Amino acid sequence: KQEVTQIPAALSVPEGENLVLNCSFTDSAIYNLQWFRQDPGKGLTSLLLIQSSQREQTSGRLNASLDKSSGRSTLYIAASQPGDSATYLCAAPNSGNTPLVFGKGTRLSVIA
Amino acid sequence: KAGVTQTPRYLIKTRGQQVTLSCSPISGHRSVSWYQQTPGQGLQFLFEYFSETQRNKGNFPGRFSGRQFSNSRSEMNVSTLELGDSALYLCASSLARGSTDTQYFGPGTRLTVL
Repeated sequence: KQEVTQIPAALSVPEGENLVLNCSFTDSAIYNLQWFRQDPGKGLTSLLLIQSSQREQTSGRLNASLDKSSGRSTLYIAASQPGDSATYLCAAPNSGNTPLVFGKGTRLSVIA
Repeated sequence: KAGVTQTPRYLIKTRGQQVTLSCSPISGHRSVSWYQQTPGQGLQFLFEYFSETQRNKGNFPGRFSGRQFSNSRSEMNVSTLELGDSALYLCASSLARGSTDTQYFGPGTRLTVL
């Protein structure tokens, strides 16, 4: 049974800093790995999807990497801004036909 | 293109009542998944519907049920509400079934059970 862990649960950084969010999963036979952002009281916004055959994906200031052998993914945010403050969640399905298994997220605060 | 919509956005019910939540997926999307989000348990999968058929079901009691209509809109129903059912209920839609591609989430329905 897939388990997804995100550490730390909360992170506070000054504006302009580059930062890395971590995601660990127990079953390396994942189909893909997805990163989401959630603002307080809102739904989830998809940020990046990395296929199991890929090592990384980039979108603007965001870069996500995937290392299946070690069961880890990281989300790198460059030049952080106060608007990046949100909870970031990662999720992985075991196969294309199974649902996403979510971590509990990392709550990021970027201080101006 | 309009995003995923969920109605109502907020609900207050009392124990023992039942509730129906609605989700309209992005046009053209045939898969709708439902999740329950609570501070303690995080996001937990409820069920997935694709082409009007339930394809996957999470580990929730039979009080939780759902269905999908021919236009891909989906409803979930919770009967005999308990205090522990208070949560944010999120639905997500995608083109293909399962988790093959990007999941697009709605804003959620906040259910409070008193």
